[in-house]
Amino acid sequence: GNSVTQMEGPVTLSEEAFLTINCTYTATGYPSLFWYVQYPGEGLQLLLKATKADDKGSNKGFEATYRKETTSFHLEKGSVQVSDSAVYFCALILGLSGGYNKLIFGAGTRLAVHP
Amino acid sequence: NAGVMQNPRHLVRRRGQEARLRCSPMKGHSHVYWYRQLPEEGLKFMVYLQKENIIDESGMPKERFSAEFPKEGPSILRIQQVVRGDSAAYFCASSRETGWSSYNEQFFGPGTRLTVL
Repeated sequence: GNSVTQMEGPVTLSEEAFLTINCTYTATGYPSLFWYVQYPGEGLQLLLKATKADDKGSNKGFEATYRKETTSFHLEKGSVQVSDSAVYFCALILGLSGGYNKLIFGAGTRLAVHP
Repeated sequence: NAGVMQNPRHLVRRRGQEARLRCSPMKGHSHVYWYRQLPEEGLKFMVYLQKENIIDESGMPKERFSAEFPKEGPSILRIQQVVRGDSAAYFCASSRETGWSSYNEQFFGPGTRLTVL
């Protein structure tokens, strides 16, 4: 079946540290891949996306590259801030070009950044 | 432009009562999705609706759960005879249309946190 696996949290880092959150997927066909962020008490916000192999999504200093050969979409940031503390969800969608958008989420990874 | 609105934000029910969760999509959006987030888990798809139509309810429990998106008014997720296992955060998302482009992104509401006593 189609699924997303994320590294377990929590991930605890000091400010300005390098961040990697691993994400791998299993999917039939050619999924589009996403990272969503959920701040405390809020809904999910789209952080970045990639729709085909070797695409790199980036936003707010975060990056992730769609690696078809390793079925991965790892999230990275070179220097985290306290304000990046949140839960990060990796997700996929099957069926572009007319297929509807049923997002399949990973379990989420909680990130805590300390000053 | 107002985002996706959900109410109530917090809902407490006793076992056996009914829970009604409301979702008003963003202006111009005619597609609504409901997801459930159990404690310490990711979001799980429940149902996808367009105006007056249920398109995919493959993630909905077969009993006690129903959803609607009438021509006028918000989308409603109804849970009858709630049990403790229904305690979760329920998120609604809306999009302009199917497929994926910069206009078809799913925008999420803040969620309704249901607690069943």
